Amino acid sequence: DVKVTQSSRYLVKRTGEKVFLECVQDMDHENMFWYRQDPGLGLRLIYFSYDVKMKEKGDIPEGYSVSREKKERFSLILESASTNQTSMYLCASREGQGNTGELFFGEGSRLTVL
Amino acid sequence: AQSVTQLDSQVPVFEEAPVELRCNYSSSVSVYLFWYVQYPNQGLQLLLKYLSGSTLVKGINGFEAEFNKSQTSFHLRKPSVHISDTAEYFCAVNPFNKFYFGSGTKLNVKP
Repeated sequence: DVKVTQSSRYLVKRTGEKVFLECVQDMDHENMFWYRQDPGLGLRLIYFSYDVKMKEKGDIPEGYSVSREKKERFSLILESASTNQTSMYLCASREGQGNTGELFFGEGSRLTVL
Repeated sequence: AQSVTQLDSQVPVFEEAPVELRCNYSSSVSVYLFWYVQYPNQGLQLLLKYLSGSTLVKGINGFEAEFNKSQTSFHLRKPSVHISDTAEYFCAVNPFNKFYFGSGTKLNVKP
């Protein structure tokens, strides 16, 4: 089974702090994604990566950056956390061949910014 | 442009009753369609997907969905729900290497 592991389930940070959210997948997937989930808004794509050191902006990249130095690891970075970034963050991965593969999700990281 | 609409934000239903969760999409290209389920405090897991072929797709836990191209719909159904089906359900489309999700439907199964 594919396993996507997010390092922190719950985090509490202060406004202005730098925040790192880590995600690791164990199935050698080319594609990795970071989503933000808010009530009534569903999942919104922040960034995705289709290869090591490659990244593409999603629909809401402002205030975020990402890093993919190794194939299995995709990190989301909040350079200066703000209260409007309080949310559930979901990491996902999928195979690189075509568009038919589904996303495999981690269990989520719930971030609260005070 | 791609978008996914889940018309019902919440659906209350009694145990053993049938349920339908509605999903409509708009896309300028052919899409692949997915339903995901999210149990409390967990990530999303795949229920079923439509790629091609038969328009009736069967998934896990007794769920099924029907793709209707003319109505651009992909409604999820289950003939008899259980308490354990209480969760949030998300419809998604994947026209390229990006998934677009609906806003979710919370299914609340009552005893």
